[in-house]
Amino acid sequence: EAQVTQNPRYLITVTGKKLTVTCSQNMNHEYMSWYRQDPGLGLRQIYYSMNVEVTDKGDVPEGYKVSRKEKRNFPLILESPSPNQTSLYFCASSLLTGNTGELFFGEGSRLTVL
Amino acid sequence: DQQVKQNSPSLSVQEGRISILNCDYTNSMFDYFLWYKKYPAEGPTFLISISSIKDKNEDGRFTVFLNKSAKHLSLHIVPSQPGDSAVYFCAASDGGNNNDMRFGAGTRLTVKP
Repeated sequence: EAQVTQNPRYLITVTGKKLTVTCSQNMNHEYMSWYRQDPGLGLRQIYYSMNVEVTDKGDVPEGYKVSRKEKRNFPLILESPSPNQTSLYFCASSLLTGNTGELFFGEGSRLTVL
Repeated sequence: DQQVKQNSPSLSVQEGRISILNCDYTNSMFDYFLWYKKYPAEGPTFLISISSIKDKNEDGRFTVFLNKSAKHLSLHIVPSQPGDSAVYFCAASDGGNNNDMRFGAGTRLTVKP
């Protein structure tokens, strides 16, 4: 089954404790990205990757890091989480070729930073 | 600066009636528009899209209309079904590039039986 898998789905942590949210896709997609969803703001892009070893900042990259060492994986790293990073996070992927723009999303990771 | 706006946070309609969800954008460079549907505890899923060379695209019960001069698009669902109850996100991009895509805040649709 074609899917984007995120882990963990739910996490409560404390300020400053490093955490990683993993994302893996099995569709051989070149493009992967991370979004956060906040009430009244919709989905905002954090980072994206056009291919292996190619990453770039989205609209709200502060406080986040990413890496793309393999095509299928795109982890989101919060080196020192803060309460304003409490949010619902989505990983997404798509084929880079063609202009369909259709993104395949994971089920989301709800993060609470105390 | 929200370039894509969905001004109605929620919409409630009766089963069998038409649902109309609206979306406005400010960036005249946007030329590709999509609607995503999101159920609770799931990720958004692609619903329908439209390119700026068209003013209408239809897929079954779902039709998207684009008015470029007004920078406005709408999603029509006819007839509405209880299973359509979800949050609908409007998205827009320049050339279909995902890294340029901007999403609206979403509209929660409730279809009452």
